[in-house]
Amino acid sequence: DAGVIQSPRHEVTEMGQEVTLRCKPISGHDYLFWYRQTMMRGLELLIYFNNNVPIDDSGMPEDRFSAKMPNASFSTLKIQPSEPRDSAVYFCASRTGTGEYEQYFGPGTRLTVT
Amino acid sequence: KQEVTQIPAALSVPEGENLVLNCSFTDSAIYNLQWFRQDPGKGLTSLLLIQSSQREQTSGRLNASLDKSSGRSTLYIAASQPGDSATYLCAVTSWAGANNLFFGTGTRLTVIP
Repeated sequence: DAGVIQSPRHEVTEMGQEVTLRCKPISGHDYLFWYRQTMMRGLELLIYFNNNVPIDDSGMPEDRFSAKMPNASFSTLKIQPSEPRDSAVYFCASRTGTGEYEQYFGPGTRLTVT
Repeated sequence: KQEVTQIPAALSVPEGENLVLNCSFTDSAIYNLQWFRQDPGKGLTSLLLIQSSQREQTSGRLNASLDKSSGRSTLYIAASQPGDSATYLCAVTSWAGANNLFFGTGTRLTVIP
């Protein structure tokens, strides 16, 4: 398997623009997670899905953030409108529903909002 | 809420030295603990996972131990190499929220040739 795939790897946008981040989990994984990493707060869970259904979105910072998982092989994280404080690295991770609960991370998307 | 702390925040050692990275967590009711490596500008690579019932895991020059009752884990790196230079993160999965990984702030390791 190619691992967790994220796109784009880098995104630079202006404040107020809509940003969409994409993730393809490892095939067969039931859980998908979106994390954000900043210097100030480290790595934080934003939202996770189980079998394409959002289970816990309590980490989503505000209504400008939304996430969807229309099928088992694709998820999006959207920010609308974007703000400079959203600048961070966004990671997607996935895992199976059984076993050791080991999460596998994608390479991340580095977002810069100017 | 589970809080995870890593000490030291940064560490520099000469090549060939053995070293220990520390991780502590406030809630001992954990499901597992993972150690990750993160290279600058890169994603996270899982190094070792220890289940709550285990005491240690080994992979090559790496050995991770877990003392759940005291809320501590250590990552031992033997015979360090310049290629080991990276940030090392520990993360715990709590029983209460078995789908949430709580991350430490990381230890930035530099191995000097």
